[in-house]
Amino acid sequence: DAGVTQSPTHLIKTRGQQVTLRCSPISGHKSVSWYQQVLGQGPQFIFQYYEKEERGRGNFPDRFSARQFPNYSSELNVNALLLGDSALYLCASSLGQHTGELFFGEGSRLTVL
Amino acid sequence: EDQVTQSPEALRLQEGESSSLNCSYTVSGLRGLFWYRQDPGKGPEFLFTLYSAGEEKEKERLKATLTKKESFLHITAPKPEDSATYLCAVEGRYSTLTFGKGTMLLVSP
Repeated sequence: DAGVTQSPTHLIKTRGQQVTLRCSPISGHKSVSWYQQVLGQGPQFIFQYYEKEERGRGNFPDRFSARQFPNYSSELNVNALLLGDSALYLCASSLGQHTGELFFGEGSRLTVL
Repeated sequence: EDQVTQSPEALRLQEGESSSLNCSYTVSGLRGLFWYRQDPGKGPEFLFTLYSAGEEKEKERLKATLTKKESFLHITAPKPEDSATYLCAVEGRYSTLTFGKGTMLLVSP
């Protein structure tokens, strides 16, 4: 069975640019969450979407936005990139909204120069 | 604000040398405490869910326990393949996960 897939796996951007990261959840999973993981730190919650609606937002600036499509896939957008946005961006899916049993993808490694 | 503190930050063990990892937490309305394993360059992999104090879960050489303020991940007779970063997370009343920084475990043959 296919797990959570993310694309691209690696990308390099310069300050001020915009980036879009994509995620396909496990088949049947209706919840998608996004996390940012800076080197040496634990994942930090950015967004959760369930049934195509935003159900939670972490402490991130408005430069970060996301959406979920009818097929439950999701995109994370970051505008006006800063050096500090360099991180591993993780997507996770789960069956329901209220579950900590998340299935993570391998992440998108973003480097901002 | 939910908080999770893990200790130690790093732990080096010899193969077969048992030990424990600690996760201390403060959370508003605990829905669950979760342990994940993360290998370098990979996403976290779910290990256990604990819901109430006194609960224990086991999987191979790992056993997780929960009290009202902390959780322990006990590793019995570890093998080199147990080397990874172990992450603890709590789900509070707002149904989002708060992760600790993790404990990096290295098991030498």
